[in-house]
Amino acid sequence: AQSVTQPDIHITVSEGASLELRCNYSYGATPYLFWYVQSPGQGLQLLLKYFSGDTLVQGIKGFEAEFKRSQSSFNLRKPSVHWSDAAEYFCAVARVDSWGKLQFGAGTQVVVTP
Amino acid sequence: DGGITQSPKYLFRKEGQNVTLSCEQNLNHDAMYWYRQDPGQGLRLIYYSQIVNDFQKGDIAEGYSVSREKKESFPLTVTSAQKNPTAFYLCASSIATGGVNEQFFGPGTRLTVL
Repeated sequence: AQSVTQPDIHITVSEGASLELRCNYSYGATPYLFWYVQSPGQGLQLLLKYFSGDTLVQGIKGFEAEFKRSQSSFNLRKPSVHWSDAAEYFCAVARVDSWGKLQFGAGTQVVVTP
Repeated sequence: DGGITQSPKYLFRKEGQNVTLSCEQNLNHDAMYWYRQDPGQGLRLIYYSQIVNDFQKGDIAEGYSVSREKKESFPLTVTSAQKNPTAFYLCASSIATGGVNEQFFGPGTRLTVL
């Protein structure tokens, strides 16, 4: 069975500093990969996705993610964090044959300090 | 504006009562999904539907029921058989079935059992 691991439950970062959120997946083939962001009490918004092609993916709000097949990872990065980036971030994967069903990681809560 | 609406935003229920959560989308999407979110556990799939009048169980379907009589509507009923129903419930939809596509999320309904 596939699984998604986000090793960091909680990350605190200073405004203006860089941010990297880790995501590892377990699946025999290359899955479809997603990063979503959730503000408190709200739904999820898609930041970016990887289906195939260039392993460095650009998303909204200045985020990017890199797919590394050898490490089964899809880490999310942002060079300079803004206070509005404080939120919970979810990595999700879907198998090619999954009829669109997503498997989510447990999430990483990001706190931004002044 | 196109999107997904969920109502109500907050819902309180007494033990032993059934309650129905509404999910409506005007995106003309074929597929719709219901997720449950608990702190520290990410999102877990309850039910999904790829087409009108058809739906499948997700990972945690026990104690829940759904219907898909119209393309734009996918209500979720939390029955009295659900042992721990207090949670945040998210509805999502995607453009096509039989493949993997971006899921768009509603704002969620927070259910509290008193």
